[in-house]
Amino acid sequence: GDSVTQMEGPVTLSEEAFLTINCTYTATGYPSLFWYVQYPGEGLQLLLKATKADDKGSNKGFEATYRKETTSFHLEKGSVQVSDSAVYFCALTDAGGTSYGKLTFGQGTILTVHP
Amino acid sequence: DAGVIQSPRHEVTEMGQEVTLRCKPISGHNSLFWYRQTMMRGLELLIYFNNNVPIDDSGMPEDRFSAKMPNASFSTLKIQPSEPRDSAVYFCASSLLGVDTQYFGPGTRLTVL
Repeated sequence: GDSVTQMEGPVTLSEEAFLTINCTYTATGYPSLFWYVQYPGEGLQLLLKATKADDKGSNKGFEATYRKETTSFHLEKGSVQVSDSAVYFCALTDAGGTSYGKLTFGQGTILTVHP
Repeated sequence: DAGVIQSPRHEVTEMGQEVTLRCKPISGHNSLFWYRQTMMRGLELLIYFNNNVPIDDSGMPEDRFSAKMPNASFSTLKIQPSEPRDSAVYFCASSLLGVDTQYFGPGTRLTVL
């Protein structure tokens, strides 16, 4: 079945540091890929998404590129802020499969940014 | 527009009691998902509905759990009887069928003593 693997956390960075959170996936179809973010005490929010190979999703300074050849969707940000401290989830949905609409999540990566 | 609404936000109950969690999806959305989040198991999909019909309930842990969607604007997740291992944050999410982005509610934090 479909699966998503994220780099283990927690990740601790200083403000203005460069961020990379790795995400790789396994899927039988042609999935859409997502990054969701969960701030403390809140639900998940969509951060960015990409729906086909070589697409780049971007939002709030974060970027991720859909790499079909390496089955990856790594999240990057050039300069993190304290306010970026949260849990980040990589996810996929196989729109063309029988599980249409169902999201498969990675285990989440905790990011803490210090001033 | 209002997002996904969940109630209650917090629930504390004693083992053996019935618990009902409620969700109102975004108006116009026709897919609804229930998730459970714990430190040990992460985010788990329990069940999802398309057009009020349950499509996949394979994530429902056991018969103590049941979910209904009587109409397009309301869903419930019931646990009867509750057990301490059911303590978790339960999220509801909704989306438009055919559009892959899900929108999450704020969650219900359930504590079973």
